[in-house]
Amino acid sequence: AQTVTQSQPEMSVQEAETVTLSCTYDTSESDYYLFWYKQPPSRQMILVIRQEAYKQQNATENRFSVNFQKAAKSFSLKISDSQLGDAAMYFCAYRSMNYGGSQGNLIFGKGTKLSVKP
Amino acid sequence: NAGVTQTPKFQVLKTGQSMTLQCAQDMNHEYMSWYRQDPGMGLRLIHYSVGAGITDQGEVPNGYNVSRSTTEDFPLRLLSAAPSQTSVYFCASSYSSFDSSYNEQFFGPGTRLTVL
Repeated sequence: AQTVTQSQPEMSVQEAETVTLSCTYDTSESDYYLFWYKQPPSRQMILVIRQEAYKQQNATENRFSVNFQKAAKSFSLKISDSQLGDAAMYFCAYRSMNYGGSQGNLIFGKGTKLSVKP
Repeated sequence: NAGVTQTPKFQVLKTGQSMTLQCAQDMNHEYMSWYRQDPGMGLRLIHYSVGAGITDQGEVPNGYNVSRSTTEDFPLRLLSAAPSQTSVYFCASSYSSFDSSYNEQFFGPGTRLTVL
């Protein structure tokens, strides 16, 4: 069974600075998807960025980028030029490329609460 | 296009009461899932469905029932509410496809349930 671990329950960053959130996972599969979701106080789950395991190039979405290390099973999220609106809970998630049965669902880490200081 | 909708947004129940959390999507997604979110636990899968008429259990199914009579709707039933079911519940949906363009799960706004 796959597992996702986020070892930082809370992180803090100064506005305009850069912060990196860590995520490691365990799987025996070779092809899969990895995601970072943001959950602001509104509770809505918002997709921040996705990575396909078969792609070597790290995904980037504006100020958000990932460092995907497949051999190390590591998938960290870097937020550049942090803004007050980035304050939220961030979840790392894994999804199998095998859509049979429960493998089509997401496996989540426990989350990292990010605070942004003005 | 409303995406994934959930009702109600908030609910308070007494121990032993039953209720149904509603979930609907208008994106013609095959996959639909229910997760619960508890502090420090992330989101955990309760039940899921890969299409109309097909459902299966996730990681934490006890005390919950689901059915999927249409592609659009996937209600979650609490049979006899217990304080341990106090949580935030999310419904999600996605396509069933290997195409990387369609691998995203879309989430509803969540239901905060308190069982006294």
